Amino acid sequence: LAKTTQPISMDSYEGQEVNITCSHNNIATNDYITWYQQFPSQGPRFIIQGYKTKVTNEVASLFIPADRKSSTLSLPRVSLSDTAVYYCLVEGGADGLTFGKGTHLIIQP
Amino acid sequence: DAGITQSPRHKVTETGTPVTLRCHQTENHRYMYWYRQDPGHGLRLIHYSYGVKDTDKGEVSDGYSVSRSKTEDFLLTLESATSSQTSVYFCAISESGDSLDRDTEAFFGQGTRLTVV
Repeated sequence: LAKTTQPISMDSYEGQEVNITCSHNNIATNDYITWYQQFPSQGPRFIIQGYKTKVTNEVASLFIPADRKSSTLSLPRVSLSDTAVYYCLVEGGADGLTFGKGTHLIIQP
Repeated sequence: DAGITQSPRHKVTETGTPVTLRCHQTENHRYMYWYRQDPGHGLRLIHYSYGVKDTDKGEVSDGYSVSRSKTEDFLLTLESATSSQTSVYFCAISESGDSLDRDTEAFFGQGTRLTVV
């Protein structure tokens, strides 16, 4: 049973806000929600992490509803360089970091 | 960037030969991970380590073994390489594998492209 489910791909345009939603119905009490970004021919890199409500940093915002069964990564005013694969992870124990297939985000001019 | 180095960066080998990939870190992080990435499959965990001589299997561990004799090095070995092990391999490190520590950001190496012919 997959820990997370997210759309395989999304398209948007430069200057738009992009929201990527991830479902994690079986999230455990100890689990945090973490998002990574991966460009072609590179390893993933950490974007943001949260436990509940809202977290914001210089790159993105993460919205987590009260039931924590889903989360939304929000990228404000995207540019072409935001074209990448975005992974949602839930992690709480020392059992390895499990990545899914991610969401391929394509930003067009 | 976190001090993590994978070697070699590229390798072509023949079916049936043993292959060892090396991951070296200078961050003194406790956790180290090996992943493979294939089109249509995303990143899949092969093995991980939570300390010297402490390792555990991931979701695709068959055909792979690992060793960690010191904190800074995590070796991935393919005892007898097969064509199905052609892939890009990523190593990652993190200070803690327990999210309660709030320090679970993982840092990835640049990857090793392995081709088994």
